[in-house]
Amino acid sequence: QKEVEQNSGPLSVPEGAIASLNCTYSDRGSQSFFWYRQYSGKSPELIMFIYSNGDKEDGRFTAQLNKASQYVSLLIRDSQPSDSATYLCAVNSPGNTGKLIFGQGTTLQVKP
Amino acid sequence: KAGVTQTPRYLIKTRGQQVTLSCSPISGHRSVSWYQQTPGQGLQFLFEYFSETQRNKGNFPGRFSGRQFSNSRSEMNVSTLELGDSALYLCASSLVLGRAQETQYFGPGTRLLVL
Repeated sequence: QKEVEQNSGPLSVPEGAIASLNCTYSDRGSQSFFWYRQYSGKSPELIMFIYSNGDKEDGRFTAQLNKASQYVSLLIRDSQPSDSATYLCAVNSPGNTGKLIFGQGTTLQVKP
Repeated sequence: KAGVTQTPRYLIKTRGQQVTLSCSPISGHRSVSWYQQTPGQGLQFLFEYFSETQRNKGNFPGRFSGRQFSNSRSEMNVSTLELGDSALYLCASSLVLGRAQETQYFGPGTRLLVL
């Protein structure tokens, strides 16, 4: 079992729709969860972080965390073609300072 | 505030050579982590430095090494390059302040091609 799992996609949504990206993790000791966006040929850019169960909203982005189910998600409302990228889920590695464990990423395509 | 900077941005080397990559963290950030990104393996943790000390190391051979200087700048070195070392090498910096230490900001990366 991979430590952090994401559906590789591609996930295709029409412009203006809600895109839902999902991630599961295996280590119940993980306490910090991150979503990064990576455009082709570029480095990962931090979008959101979440520590507590529930929802956290920032503009068009909402991160959702359910520690009991070991599940993190990212919702993108009013999706734009510029949102087309690979979205990486990352979790901290308990006891390993400075180490984030990344999923393989989900490719999102927003079609005009 | 300036972001994380990495030099060089691109490198072409041949098998057997060695390479040194440099990373300057965001001002005030004292922790630097290094990752390797390849299409097959994704993003994998190499090591993390804080106060000139390596605090954590990933599952990479000893050919991969690093160091950090007193101004928090970090370098990583790969010796005896292999074709499989071709990758995007990413540096990330973070504050060392409670929970914030886990939030990492990435530099633009160094793309290494080994021929």
